[in-house]
Amino acid sequence: SQTIHQWPATLVQPVGSPLSLECTVEGTSNPNLYWYRQAAGRGLQLLFYSVGIGQISSEVPQNLSASRPQDRQFILSSKKLLLSDSGFYLCAWSPTGVAQGVYNSPLHFGNGTRLTVT
Amino acid sequence: GESVGLHLPTLSVQEGDNSIINCAYSNSASDYFIWYKQESGKGPQFIIDIRSNMDKRQGQRVTVLLNKTVKHLSLQIAATQPGDSAVYFCAEMRETSGSRLTFGEGTQLTVNP
Repeated sequence: SQTIHQWPATLVQPVGSPLSLECTVEGTSNPNLYWYRQAAGRGLQLLFYSVGIGQISSEVPQNLSASRPQDRQFILSSKKLLLSDSGFYLCAWSPTGVAQGVYNSPLHFGNGTRLTVT
Repeated sequence: GESVGLHLPTLSVQEGDNSIINCAYSNSASDYFIWYKQESGKGPQFIIDIRSNMDKRQGQRVTVLLNKTVKHLSLQIAATQPGDSAVYFCAEMRETSGSRLTFGEGTQLTVNP
């Protein structure tokens, strides 16, 4: 079965410090990968998605970037964190072809990273 | 603009009662809908989905109803249990947008013993 791992679970970082959040998926090949952010008590906002190694699409302009160095690894980064970057960051995966509209399938989420920028 | 939203931000029910959580969407081109359950501090968990060529789909204790005429989606939970307490999100996906899910704001379901 497929599993998705995110770490760390919680993180407190000072303003201006760098960020690296990692997500890995097991049990599947060539998944589509996603980074979402969730504000407290709100819905999810898509930040980035990737359909393959080195292929990143950004949904909103922001202080963050994403990379996919390996097939099942997705990294969310920032060079200098802002207070407004605080939030709950969720990684998700879906089967190949979903992002291209080949067929519809639910996204499967990790358990998230709670980031607090102080 | 296009949006997916929920009618009520909170819902409180008694254990054993049935729960109904509602969701409205504005884009008639939406063709795939998903309900997620999110417990505190965890990621959203897939509950059930439905495609636009259906108007009802049942799972274990859950039923999703889709009314395309009024662009309304609902999640029914039978015999609600304390473990059902969570935030429930509907999400919309349109084939033309690939798999970019649009989420509603969520409904907090509280089950009272």
